[in-house]
Amino acid sequence: VQLQESGPGLVKPSETLSLTCSVSGGFIYSYYWSWIRQPPGKGLEWIGYIYNTGSTNYNPSLRSRATISEDTSNNRISLRLTSVTAADAAVYYCARVYGGGTHFDYWGQGLLVTVSS
Amino acid sequence: SYVLTQPPSVSVAPGQTATITCGGNNIGSKNVHWHLQKPGQAPVLVVYDDSDRPSGISERFSGSNSGNTATLTISRVEAGDEADYYCQVWDSGSDHYVFGTGTKVTVL
Repeated sequence: VQLQESGPGLVKPSETLSLTCSVSGGFIYSYYWSWIRQPPGKGLEWIGYIYNTGSTNYNPSLRSRATISEDTSNNRISLRLTSVTAADAAVYYCARVYGGGTHFDYWGQGLLVTVSS
Repeated sequence: SYVLTQPPSVSVAPGQTATITCGGNNIGSKNVHWHLQKPGQAPVLVVYDDSDRPSGISERFSGSNSGNTATLTISRVEAGDEADYYCQVWDSGSDHYVFGTGTKVTVL
């Protein structure tokens, strides 16, 4: 299984960040998929997950700005983060939760997003 | 929200044993996982479900979990083990995934 994040590396303050995670070597159905981010020089922060028919849950610290969706026909997971600020600058990772478990077994390589006008 | 606390740094000489702790309220009742992250790279799972190792991970990595503390132990430390290490759990109460604050392991 391979995960690849894609999207703009630069977003303006107050705009919406949109990222895609393309999954190859396996189907996204029946797995939990998460987005995780890491500000420069800081630790990992879980953003949220999506599962199967669109069940989602998010880190409340994002104050409802995050939306995760899935495109099963193209085997992709997406993240939208609205009203971005400098605090949202980070490397964004997508990751899979092991089936039947609670650990992240596959990670994407990560995508650096800068927030600047 | 559930909080996991790790020491910011651990230093160890080559060949010695590194011990990294992860503190959380009654963490012994949860499954704890450990991820290793080298600079500029994505995290890699090294221990899951407290003490199991994924295929391809050295047996020098081991884990335990009891009470309010989980521990990752790296035996016979090598220069290549220098990295940041994060513990991780799933909190059933909130249905959230949580990462520890991270520990930087330095090989002297």
